[in-house]
Amino acid sequence: DQQVKQNSPSLSVQEGRISILNCDYTNSMFDYFLWYKKYPAEGPTFLISISSIKDKNEDGRFTVFLNKSAKHLSLHIVPSQPGDSAVYFCAASGGGSGNTGKLIFGQGTTLQVKP
Amino acid sequence: NAGVMQNPRHLVRRRGQEARLRCSPMKGHSHVYWYRQLPEEGLKFMVYLQKENIIDESGMPKERFSAEFPKEGPSILRIQQVVRGDSAAYFCASSKTTSGRETQYFGPGTRLLVL
Repeated sequence: DQQVKQNSPSLSVQEGRISILNCDYTNSMFDYFLWYKKYPAEGPTFLISISSIKDKNEDGRFTVFLNKSAKHLSLHIVPSQPGDSAVYFCAASGGGSGNTGKLIFGQGTTLQVKP
Repeated sequence: NAGVMQNPRHLVRRRGQEARLRCSPMKGHSHVYWYRQLPEEGLKFMVYLQKENIIDESGMPKERFSAEFPKEGPSILRIQQVVRGDSAAYFCASSKTTSGRETQYFGPGTRLLVL
């Protein structure tokens, strides 16, 4: 039962252009969403998050959009840089009473930014 | 630098041996989460601990796996009688609180290889 899905295993973008990474979820009780970036042989690094009471959060080149009715969120990176090449994970937490804050992760999307 | 620390970074065990993975949370953080990443998959929640207490172990395999977070010292994830299927990257994350909207910060992971 995959509650958080990243349907695109990989994405290739030219340097300077926009990268859009997508994530869908099935549990309407999720109320906090995060994006992590991961390089090989390292742990996930927190990028940006959004609460379910918002539909957009921006931090520098990174913007996360949340569409609760569609149970969909996306991460926009503008402009994309070669150093952004990594695996990006979408994660969600929440789930009603007794929520312990555990994160449910998607499968990840490998982003390649070409110079 | 008070990031999440994990050791060892790499661990090789033969089938039937025990594996002990250690995690020291960020300074000021008292909540520890363990996740496992199998090859080509996303991270899967295993267990959530506070000092001296297991709060949520819903993701832990029923047998051979145990976790602790003593009053003094790091959190330990212990795998007894390892099998080849235990080969994975094990990540620890910590947070300051567990409001459900608290960012978790990850360590570099321990890569376990079972021969």
